[in-house]
Amino acid sequence: GIQVEQSPPDLILQEGANSTLRCNFSDSVNNLQWFHQNPWGQLINLFYIPSGTKQNGRLSATTVATERYSLLYISSSQTTDSGVYFCAAAYGNNRLAFGKGNQVVVIP
Amino acid sequence: NAGVTQTPKFRILKIGQSMTLQCAQDMNHNYMYWYRQDPGMGLKLIYYSVGAGITDKGEVPNGYNVSRSTTEDFPLRLELAAPSQTSVYFCASSQQGNEKLFFGSGTQLSVL
Repeated sequence: GIQVEQSPPDLILQEGANSTLRCNFSDSVNNLQWFHQNPWGQLINLFYIPSGTKQNGRLSATTVATERYSLLYISSSQTTDSGVYFCAAAYGNNRLAFGKGNQVVVIP
Repeated sequence: NAGVTQTPKFRILKIGQSMTLQCAQDMNHNYMYWYRQDPGMGLKLIYYSVGAGITDKGEVPNGYNVSRSTTEDFPLRLELAAPSQTSVYFCASSQQGNEKLFFGSGTQLSVL
């Protein structure tokens, strides 16, 4: 199967700071999704982004499929951005490989 | 819309007991999935279904069974619970395969 690696594994941010999370994948993918798992465990789909760039408020994501990576940008971070961010790469027939996540803590 | 609904939210089982985790979605999605999440790890696919009456194994199917009698429901059955099945279980759905995935709120299961 495909390998998905996320970096950095852990990140501490001061409220208001910007950050970039990276997701590398080892092979061609059908699409790439980013999820946020909040401190209560709920998983929310942030982006469905097979290629190109999308924006959603203070968050944006870019996938460069030909170079096998995706980036998630958090601007003007808030405490509610804390949690774990997962990327998941779709490959083959109905397979989705998850990375181990980026643990983000935003301190006031 | 409720989206994807999972019950129960928490459960403690003794070794060897059985239980069924319930999952229902009201988005008329064709695809449904069961994942487990272990501490510090990503999600691993247990089973998935592409439509009513059709199921298939994922990466970690041993010790589990599923059925899909309707489009809406996709229960996960643990027949003989083992400590290795202590985990958080997530049900998810998508309209088609490899499309945007929506998760339920999870079930935290402990096997003691």
